[in-house]
Amino acid sequence: QKEVEQNSGPLSVPEGAIASLNCTYSDRGSQSFFWYRQYSGKSPELIMSIYSNGDKEDGRFTAQLNKASQYVSLLIRDSQPSDSATYLCAVVEYNQGGKLIFGQGTELSVKP
Amino acid sequence: DVKVTQSSRYLVKRTGEKVFLECVQDMDHENMFWYRQDPGLGLRLIYFSYDVKMKEKGDIPEGYSVSREKKERFSLILESTSTNQTSMYLCASTPATSGRIGQYFGPGTRLTVT
Repeated sequence: QKEVEQNSGPLSVPEGAIASLNCTYSDRGSQSFFWYRQYSGKSPELIMSIYSNGDKEDGRFTAQLNKASQYVSLLIRDSQPSDSATYLCAVVEYNQGGKLIFGQGTELSVKP
Repeated sequence: DVKVTQSSRYLVKRTGEKVFLECVQDMDHENMFWYRQDPGLGLRLIYFSYDVKMKEKGDIPEGYSVSREKKERFSLILESTSTNQTSMYLCASTPATSGRIGQYFGPGTRLTVT
């Protein structure tokens, strides 16, 4: 059974701090990884993608990938209350045409 | 921007009624997916489709069927609803070469079966 594991949280950080969200996956063949943000009652929104080992930065967001350790993370710098949401890690299932395996999500709360 | 739309945001149905949820995407994506999302259970894949008239079962297909007569449209059918089908239903799409693009979600339909 291919799995994606995330801490459910809630993760609480003060405004302006760095929030660190982590994800591990079981399928060594996975090549593409995504982070989604989901506000309460809304649908998931794609915010980051990463395919190569190392870091990928986009504004206040940095995705990190370590394929040897089967580990993906998302850092949110200068966290804002508007970042409070559930963050879903998703991994493309190898050779399955875009089919994603989702983690359960980590709830982030940014306190003013 | 990719746009995925779903026919209803909220639906309330009685047990045994038929429900037809429609999803339309405007980006010529080949692959389309139906999920349900429940607290504590996360996103679960019901059915997906790689092309017109093609469908594949996901992890929880029981009690559901799908139809894809046109590339842009993927419908989820609940022939006879039950209370355990109360959930948020989410449609998503992605291009065929999507290994590096991810899925784009519609706004969701919150279905309540009483």
